[in-house]
Amino acid sequence: DAKTTQPNSMESNEEEPVHLPCNHSTISGTDYIHWYRQLPSQGPEYVIHGLTSNVNNRMASLAIAEDRKSSTLILHRATLRDAAVYYCILRDGGTDKLIFGTGTRLQVFP
Amino acid sequence: GAGVSQSPRYKVTKRGQDVALRCDPISGHVSLYWYRQALGQGPEFLTYFNYEAQQDKSGLPNDRFSAERPEGSISTLTIQRTEQRDSAMYRCASSLGLTDTQYFGPGTRLTVL
Repeated sequence: DAKTTQPNSMESNEEEPVHLPCNHSTISGTDYIHWYRQLPSQGPEYVIHGLTSNVNNRMASLAIAEDRKSSTLILHRATLRDAAVYYCILRDGGTDKLIFGTGTRLQVFP
Repeated sequence: GAGVSQSPRYKVTKRGQDVALRCDPISGHVSLYWYRQALGQGPEFLTYFNYEAQQDKSGLPNDRFSAERPEGSISTLTIQRTEQRDSAMYRCASSLGLTDTQYFGPGTRLTVL
């Protein structure tokens, strides 16, 4: 399975945008880029995913580099409830399981 | 609607005992996954089912771990002769189909004394 690299932790102030980076230099052509997050004491929850084009949904935006070797999860206005561990995961189009790394712990300050 | 449920939420057992952890997926979800999560780490894949068929059990640590989903709905993860190193949060997830979004349950915190 292709691997991802994320910073261990990041900080943000409330109401500010947050850009969470992920490097995946060994990504293959069929790998989708998935983001899940895990709030304290809860199970992981889906955030967003994409293949080549940038994606937007109600939770976040996903910006994918043209060469697909990196991506950025964008939270447009961080809230205290966004404090969580964010996981960037590569998932082959035909694969079932999720391979989690250690993720980025996001702290949001009021 | 109801999400994924797991029971018990907490289980304390003595070394050498067998434990059974239950997962009730979202109604209509075909795929069911088991993960294990150590403190401070991301979830680690154990096994998954498509309907009642166990498709991949490559993540099960050893033969003390087994899982079943006999009717394609509720699943049970069984750990025989528990050891202290088995202590972890065990998480279940389900999805509508393979490669679809996975929805996770609250987990079962297992402590082996």
